[in-house]
Amino acid sequence: DSGVTQTPKHLITATGQRVTLRCSPRSGDLSVYWYQQSLDQGLQFLIQYYNGEERAKGNILERFSAQQFPDLHSELNLSSLELGDSALYFCASSVGLGEGEQFFGPGTRLTVL
Amino acid sequence: AQSVTQLGSHVSVSEGALVLLRCNYSSSVPPYLFWYVQYPNQGLQLLLKYTSAATLVKGINGFEAEFKKSETSFHLTKPSAHMSDAAEYFCAVSDNFGNEKLTFGTGTRLTIIP
Repeated sequence: DSGVTQTPKHLITATGQRVTLRCSPRSGDLSVYWYQQSLDQGLQFLIQYYNGEERAKGNILERFSAQQFPDLHSELNLSSLELGDSALYFCASSVGLGEGEQFFGPGTRLTVL
Repeated sequence: AQSVTQLGSHVSVSEGALVLLRCNYSSSVPPYLFWYVQYPNQGLQLLLKYTSAATLVKGINGFEAEFKKSETSFHLTKPSAHMSDAAEYFCAVSDNFGNEKLTFGTGTRLTIIP
């Protein structure tokens, strides 16, 4: 158990819908990262937050957005969902900046029908 | 841009045999390098990491990796494979200038033959 929790574990929805994925980092960790794992794209970095502020952006679609709240939990919002958004979405956390070691949650499996 | 290349999307070894999973990196700055393991239906677990302290890095579950700058490699090895090692293994890189995002390789699925 990494100490990172993600909810829900599974999510099934329809095209065009909007969903929210939630992540609670390890106690004391200030950085949160979101990654997408799909069969065709592999594991890709989406976005990072540090202590409530956006720190880095990767291959995140404009239909996707994220935020980190004062209690340090983070949410990833996916809207206007398409079939191709079906993937495993991981959250990871680390202590701070430049630490290099990230701890991953169990992931949320999103299925778009 | 940083990248890692994992040679061999599938590797099969017999139980008790040497495990060798290959990873080559491309980075314009001294990198941080990682190996993660993913068991079926689970998240990623850190096996080991290289952060320039020592070129031979020992990790969990008997795995180790050697950083070779001249070969731009960071191959993962284990002397004797166990059935429980069957999983997918990912090599990843990040730079050490405060950019912590991980760039992953495409993964290697390890199968252990009884």
